[in-house]
Amino acid sequence: GAGVSQSPSNKVTEKGKDVELRCDPISGHTALYWYRQSLGQGLEFLIYFQGNSAPDKSGLPSDRFSAERTGGSVSTLTIQRTQQEDSAVYLCASSHDRGFYNEQFFGPGTRLTVL
Amino acid sequence: QQQVKQSPQSLIVQKGGISIINCAYENTAFDYFPWYQQFPGKGPALLIAIRPDVSEKKEGRFTISFNKSAKQFSLHIMDSQPGDSATYFCAAGGKLIFGQGTELSVKP
Repeated sequence: GAGVSQSPSNKVTEKGKDVELRCDPISGHTALYWYRQSLGQGLEFLIYFQGNSAPDKSGLPSDRFSAERTGGSVSTLTIQRTQQEDSAVYLCASSHDRGFYNEQFFGPGTRLTVL
Repeated sequence: QQQVKQSPQSLIVQKGGISIINCAYENTAFDYFPWYQQFPGKGPALLIAIRPDVSEKKEGRFTISFNKSAKQFSLHIMDSQPGDSATYFCAAGGKLIFGQGTELSVKP
């Protein structure tokens, strides 16, 4: 079956522009997560959705970052007024049930480069 | 209290050797410890996971050893193969806190 998909796979933007990153989770997965992976770093948690609600958005680094999920499916991570330090790979994951203890299935990521 | 420290940062092992990656955590409330494997250009994939009620879990060539009192856990890859060359991440908690990753290279 289809796994988690993310688009675009690569995004190059200029400093100050807004970007939208998309995640299509595995069908039927109610939980969805966004992470950020900087070069040589681990995975930094950004936000967690259960259905369309985000009970944990504690990892969003600033108010320039926002995310939404519609129809319990597709999620969009938006970064406004991008900065060079936003350059990273943004990973999305989904899992079956509520909570964090279920296996998370990751997408291939979107590599964001801010010039 | 939320950190997970992983070592080494990189590891080179000969084919057939044993690869060992270590992680240490701080929060004693953590009760789920997965290891993820990531190949270049791909997202991480769950490799093996352990709960703190056991001290060891083995799946094929991969073993997690868990020391609750020391707040440490490790991944052992037996008979390492070139196809095991990847980046490995430990994680802990319910909301996963990831280690910094270990880049493993297995030489033929």
